[in-house]
Amino acid sequence: QKEVEQNSGPLSVPEGAIASLNCTYSDRGSQSFFWYRQYSGKSPELIMSIYSNGDKEDGRFTAQLNKASQYVSLLIRDSQPSDSATYLCAVNLAQAGTALIFGKGTTLSVSS
Amino acid sequence: KAGVTQTPRYLIKTRGQQVTLSCSPISGHRSVSWYQQTPGQGLQFLFEYFSETQRNKGNFPGRFSGRQFSNSRSEMNVSTLELGDSALYLCASSLGFQGLTDTQYFGPGTRLTVL
Repeated sequence: QKEVEQNSGPLSVPEGAIASLNCTYSDRGSQSFFWYRQYSGKSPELIMSIYSNGDKEDGRFTAQLNKASQYVSLLIRDSQPSDSATYLCAVNLAQAGTALIFGKGTTLSVSS
Repeated sequence: KAGVTQTPRYLIKTRGQQVTLSCSPISGHRSVSWYQQTPGQGLQFLFEYFSETQRNKGNFPGRFSGRQFSNSRSEMNVSTLELGDSALYLCASSLGFQGLTDTQYFGPGTRLTVL
């Protein structure tokens, strides 16, 4: 059974701090990794995708991938109250179209 | 470009009934995937359609089915509804090529309540 694990939180950080969200996955064959953000009552929206080991930066967001450790993380710098949401880690089912396996999400709360 | 659209947005059904949900992908996208989201289980993959063919299927009973039309629009059907089918059903579209960088974009979802 292929799995994606996330700490459910809540993760609470003050405004302006760095929020660090972590994810591990079980399928060594996975090639594509995604972070989605989901506000309460809304659908997931894509924040970042990462495919190779190392860091990928986009504005205040940095995704980190370590395939040897089967570990993906998302750093949010200068956290804002508007970043308060559930963050979903998703991993591509390597041999099966574009289907994704999702973790159950980490709830982030940024206090002003 | 218009995003992924789903209809209806809300549905209330009773046990034993069946329901059909519709999804229109982003223009040019040929793959449509369906997911079920519940508080307890999170987001779970139902199935994926590409070029009118089911390309992949998750671990759900046969009561859950789907299809895709030549214009890439997709429908999913749930027969003999159970209380546990109450969930947010999300549709996601992508270009559909099986490469690293294909990315799924989600519609707003259909909230199904089974009484």
